[in-house]
Amino acid sequence: TQLLEQSPQFLSIQEGENLTVYCNSSSVFSSLQWYRQEPGEGPVLLVTVVTGGEVKKLKRLTFQFGDARKDSSLHITAAQPGDTGLYLCAGFNYGGSQGNLIFGKGTKLSVKP
Amino acid sequence: EPEVTQTPSHQVTQMGQEVILRCVPISNHLYFYWYRQILGQKVEFLVSFYNNEISEKSEIFDDQFSVERPDGSNFTLKIRSTKLEDSAMYFCASSPGPPGEQYFGPGTRLTVT
Repeated sequence: TQLLEQSPQFLSIQEGENLTVYCNSSSVFSSLQWYRQEPGEGPVLLVTVVTGGEVKKLKRLTFQFGDARKDSSLHITAAQPGDTGLYLCAGFNYGGSQGNLIFGKGTKLSVKP
Repeated sequence: EPEVTQTPSHQVTQMGQEVILRCVPISNHLYFYWYRQILGQKVEFLVSFYNNEISEKSEIFDDQFSVERPDGSNFTLKIRSTKLEDSAMYFCASSPGPPGEQYFGPGTRLTVT
């Protein structure tokens, strides 16, 4: 069974601080997705990383896929209150089937003004 | 921007009743999925659907569950005889194809009493 562990589970910081959250597995994934989820809503796709070592930037968010495609990180620079939310990573594997996403439990981020 | 839509947003039903949850995936997408999220827990895969048939299903997706794409736009999840433990948020997702970029709808909150 493939599992994704996210850390930290909770993170509370002040506006303007930098932060990094992690997503780790003992399994290799074909790709890894990062989502953001607000309470009572569906996950919103932020980015997909596919190649080992790949780095993608989305404004103040930087996503990295580990060289072995087993882990990923999300770094936020100069966090703002609008960044508050639940950040989920989800791994995907090609296979005989059409594949499904395996989700981590998420990191709940709170950015205080 | 195209998005996945789901109806109803909230469904309350009595134990043993049948419910049908409806989804309209993004129009040019080929792969369709149902996931569920029990309150406070992680998002769990239920079933994937491609080329008018189920391509993969999880252990959760037992004989009480079925999916259908009755026309060119709708994608439905039916629960034949609901149980208390079926109470959860149910998310529909669609994807144009691998490598795992799945776009989620806003969810249907199912409450079984």
